[in-house]
Amino acid sequence: GESVGLHLPTLSVQEGDNSIINCAYSNSASDYFIWYKQESGKGPQFIIDIRSNMDKRQGQRVTVLLNKTVKHLSLQIAATQPGDSAVYFCAENSAGYSTLTFGKGTMLLVSP
Amino acid sequence: ETGVTQSPTHLIKTRGQQVTLRCSSQSGHNTVSWYQQALGQGPQFIFQYYREEENGRGNFPPRFSGLQFPNYSSELNVNALELDDSALYLCASSPSGTGELFFGEGSRLTVL
Repeated sequence: GESVGLHLPTLSVQEGDNSIINCAYSNSASDYFIWYKQESGKGPQFIIDIRSNMDKRQGQRVTVLLNKTVKHLSLQIAATQPGDSAVYFCAENSAGYSTLTFGKGTMLLVSP
Repeated sequence: ETGVTQSPTHLIKTRGQQVTLRCSSQSGHNTVSWYQQALGQGPQFIFQYYREEENGRGNFPPRFSGLQFPNYSSELNVNALELDDSALYLCASSPSGTGELFFGEGSRLTVL
């Protein structure tokens, strides 16, 4: 689940494992979803997106799954590497505008 | 092609002062959005500019204001700074009609 303040949910994995990061979104009218990766001291970096007319989309080592029934989004990272260590945010967009609502984030820690 | 650039990268102000943050959008992007990211939180939408007009605003008071220039670069101004304004301020640009945002590295503001 999500937490408030400075206590981000944290997922710790070993290098080579598959990682799954989950996100619950709030607006049933949202039609576009993006996952961002944010490394310490940097801005969010686009990973993968999905539109509401899809339930799965694959990229390089990453897959996003969308379940509109329960308003749930997940990011799967295959063969996780130490360079994947970062905070991951899901973001939702509605009404076709480039305005995103971000979740609170999940910290992924990958041990060599 | 250059990405989104922001300045300054870090700055310290005292309560009651005013601050101006600057952003150059990615080449070809005519929409600029500003987000505030408090420590341990996801980015929060402040406002968006399209063709030099404000095109959407989040839940921020009027002392947060902005400008967009003909070359699509943008400024964020914050008057009467408060301690809670301490945060990372992120600028993001996007091509017209898409929801995909490209973020800069941010300006970290500390208010003492």
